[in-house]
Amino acid sequence: DAGVIQSPRHEVTEMGQEVTLRCKPISGHNSLFWYRQTMMRGLELLIYFNNNVPIDDSGMPEDRFSAKMPNASFSTLKIQPSEPRDSAVYFCASSLIRDTEAFFGQGTRLTVV
Amino acid sequence: KNEVEQSPQNLTAQEGEFITINCSYSVGISALHWLQQHPGGGIVSLFMLSSGKKKHGRLIATINIQEKHSSLHITASHPRDSAVYICAVNSQPQFYFGTGTSLTVIP
Repeated sequence: DAGVIQSPRHEVTEMGQEVTLRCKPISGHNSLFWYRQTMMRGLELLIYFNNNVPIDDSGMPEDRFSAKMPNASFSTLKIQPSEPRDSAVYFCASSLIRDTEAFFGQGTRLTVV
Repeated sequence: KNEVEQSPQNLTAQEGEFITINCSYSVGISALHWLQQHPGGGIVSLFMLSSGKKKHGRLIATINIQEKHSSLHITASHPRDSAVYICAVNSQPQFYFGTGTSLTVIP
């Protein structure tokens, strides 16, 4: 298996634009996580899916952020409209179930100018 | 108030030294994770613990549920161990993260 695949690896966009980050989890994994990492706040859990269903999105910072998992092999994190303070590295991770080892993607470095 | 506290924040060691990184947490948890983040930014899960002790190569992780404390040990440290080590706890529905320990191992 190729591991968790995220795209794009880097994204630079202008304030106000819509940004979509993509994640392909490891096949067979039932849990998917979206994290954000910044220098100021470190790692934060944004949202957690189990069997494609969002279980906890209390970490999503505001309504500008939305995440979907239309099927077991694909998830998106969308920011609309983007703001400079959204600049961060966004990681996607998957695991068999929640309390098992998580495998991380390489991350998407987002810069909003 | 941080639900997860790590110490030390920064650590420099000579190659071959035994290293300990500590993690204390204040919430009830179902599992604790130790993550390693290399200078390139990628994150690797090292251990997932709910009790006792786990060993993988030169790495050992322990957890004391009663004391709400975990340690990550590295025996015979090597420069390639240089990374940031992050403690994370699953306190459903939330995940809480420590701020990380930056380890530098000098040849």
